[in-house]
Amino acid sequence: GAVVSQHPSRVICKSGTSVKIECRSLDFQATTMFWYRQFPKQSLMLMATSNEGSKATYEQGVEKDKFLINHASLTLSTLTVTSAHPEDSSFYICSARVFKLETQYFGPGTRLLVL
Amino acid sequence: QKEVEQDPGPLSVPEGAIVSLNCTYSNSAFQYFMWYRQYSRKGPELLMYTYSSGNKEDGRFTAQVDKSSKYISLFIRDSQPSDSATYLCAMSGPYNTDKLIFGTGTRLQVFP
Repeated sequence: GAVVSQHPSRVICKSGTSVKIECRSLDFQATTMFWYRQFPKQSLMLMATSNEGSKATYEQGVEKDKFLINHASLTLSTLTVTSAHPEDSSFYICSARVFKLETQYFGPGTRLLVL
Repeated sequence: QKEVEQDPGPLSVPEGAIVSLNCTYSNSAFQYFMWYRQYSRKGPELLMYTYSSGNKEDGRFTAQVDKSSKYISLFIRDSQPSDSATYLCAMSGPYNTDKLIFGTGTRLQVFP
């Protein structure tokens, strides 16, 4: 149980294009989903928290107009990197949390490379 | 000072050794403590979860929390090459809806 999937697993795009990453909880309903980014040999940095049906809460320093998050259902959240630039290249990981539980279950991550 | 400190390693041990991984933290409000294992280019996998102080055992893994010292540990018995990964501690609190704060991760290598 508690499986979270992400799609795509890897994406290469040109600078200036937008990229959408999907995060799905496969066998449970996630009231809250989180988006992280991770640079090589560094820990996870929380970007934003999204609750189903409401606007995402972004961490300080994260541009909400650049990283659009939609959490339209209890099993799906999307992160769209708009007008991507090479500095946005990173490993993006989502996680999902079940209502009233503390633990988060992570997806396998999406590696984004912006040329 | 970071809220959560973790030695990045790498920690290299022979197969069968007992491994001790540790984190210290500064926020006394933390109540929920987790250990995640992350293989290269993969998402973190939850290994152990502990609420407040105490010990928890699951197979070859034991998690310990000492809130008085603000110190948590993960012990791996009979380590295997397949345990080679990065181990991340994470914690939150005082409420269960608070965001997780991660350590930087310790890279472990178990050689045959």
